[in-house]
Amino acid sequence: SQQGEEDPQALSIQEGENATMNCSYKTSINNLQWYRQNSGRGLVHLILIRSNEREKHSGRLRVTLDTSKKSSSLLITASRAADTASYFCATDRGGGNKLTFGTGTQLKVEL
Amino acid sequence: GAGVSQSPRYKVAKRGQDVALRCDPISGHVSLFWYQQALGQGPEFLTYFQNEAQLDKSGLPSDRFFAERPEGSVSTLKIQRTQQEDSAVYLCASSQDYGDLHGYTFGSGTRLTVV
Repeated sequence: SQQGEEDPQALSIQEGENATMNCSYKTSINNLQWYRQNSGRGLVHLILIRSNEREKHSGRLRVTLDTSKKSSSLLITASRAADTASYFCATDRGGGNKLTFGTGTQLKVEL
Repeated sequence: GAGVSQSPRYKVAKRGQDVALRCDPISGHVSLFWYQQALGQGPEFLTYFQNEAQLDKSGLPSDRFFAERPEGSVSTLKIQRTQQEDSAVYLCASSQDYGDLHGYTFGSGTRLTVV
C-alpha cells in the first residue's frame, strides 16, 4: 500500500513559474526522497532529506521536511518544459528497509 | 555498467504463461529492490535483497511470484501462470549501501502486458 499522498495530483504551469508539490506520510522515517519519472521511463533520484533536516537545496530544487506534521514539499524554481514529468515522494525507515512511494504529482510545464 | 539495466524492455505474455524478468544492477551495489508499478500509480514494493540474501519478500502478491539473486549481482523476477492483473511495469533499483545516503538508482523497467 502507498505510504503517502502527494498533492496536487496534477499541476500545470507556464515555463518560468515555480512549481510546488506536497507529500504527506504516515509513519516515522529515517529519510524522505523525491524522484522524477518521465513517461514510460524509470525513476530518477532527485534529492534526499534526512529526518533531522528541515530544508535542503539542490540546483533549482528546494525540499522541506516537517516531521511533526509528517509532510514534505518539493519546490522547483524557474520551471522548464523539460521538467514535465511525474514526481514521487518516497519514505525510507532506514536500515535497508523498503522505500514506500506516494501516489505522485503529474507536472506539466507549458511553453 | 553505468546504470541499472532491465530486460526485456517490453513483454507480452498470454494468460497462464510463465515470464522471467532480468535486472542487472550497478556493479558492486549491495541492495536490490523490485517494485511493481500499475498505470497511474506509484511503485509498490515487491522484494528486497542484500547481496544474495532475500531479506524481505513481503510485497510479493502471491506464490506465483518468485525472485532470486544467487550470486549477489543479477536478479531475476519470475512470474508463473501470469494473470491479467499482473500487467504492470516492473522496476528494479539498486544502491551501494542501504539507500539512505544517496538514494536508489532505478532501471527503466519492464512493461509486462498479459493478454
